[in-house]
Amino acid sequence: SYELTQPPSVSVSPGQTARITCSGDALPKKYAYWYQQKSGQAPVLVIYEDSKRPSGIPERFSGSSSGTMATLTISGAQVEDEADYYCYSTDSSGNHFFGGGTKLTVL
Amino acid sequence: EVQLVQSGAEVKKPGESLKISCKGSGYSFTSYWIGWVRQMPGKGLEWMGIIYPGDSDTRYSPSFQGQVTISADKSISTAYLQWSSLKASDTAMYYCARRINYYDSSLGPINWFDPWGQGTLVTVSS
Repeated sequence: SYELTQPPSVSVSPGQTARITCSGDALPKKYAYWYQQKSGQAPVLVIYEDSKRPSGIPERFSGSSSGTMATLTISGAQVEDEADYYCYSTDSSGNHFFGGGTKLTVL
Repeated sequence: EVQLVQSGAEVKKPGESLKISCKGSGYSFTSYWIGWVRQMPGKGLEWMGIIYPGDSDTRYSPSFQGQVTISADKSISTAYLQWSSLKASDTAMYYCARRINYYDSSLGPINWFDPWGQGTLVTVSS
């Protein structure tokens, strides 16, 4: 079964740049997507198609992908960015997969 | 505004049946797949299955095939997730989400979920 691998946790101080990675064998041929889930809330899409930002998502959120790794970057992370972040992608058949999630701590 | 509104929290006993709902508004409900995602306490997101309300075409993750039933009533823009006999291990938050998809000639099928419903907490305990 296809897997997307994320680090369990990332920690930064306010104002620093946070980078969260997601690795998967199909990522060279499939887009990566990123969801933010704050405590007690539903997931929210913050990056789609590797690097596009939905309307309403702050510019400090950006995404990139190279080879088998996608990266979510939060430039100048703020306390309100503290959340769990999940990458999402599909395999060659269009089946759906989420990464295990990364807990971002900003303090 | 595209919105998915889910039914309220449920507390059930093992062996009982349950059907939770997800009502879409602000878009053509029959033109987009709806997916269901499980999140067990303190754990990550797991895709369960999807349904196309236009014709009720349904696909299940192998992990959930036979464990749940996904259905939809397009006349009231509502998708459902149901269990015939709940287990304690079904205790989780369940989210529905609209799937956006298209076909790219180079990359094949492209899809993602947005937006999501607010979630329905299902607690199964004796």
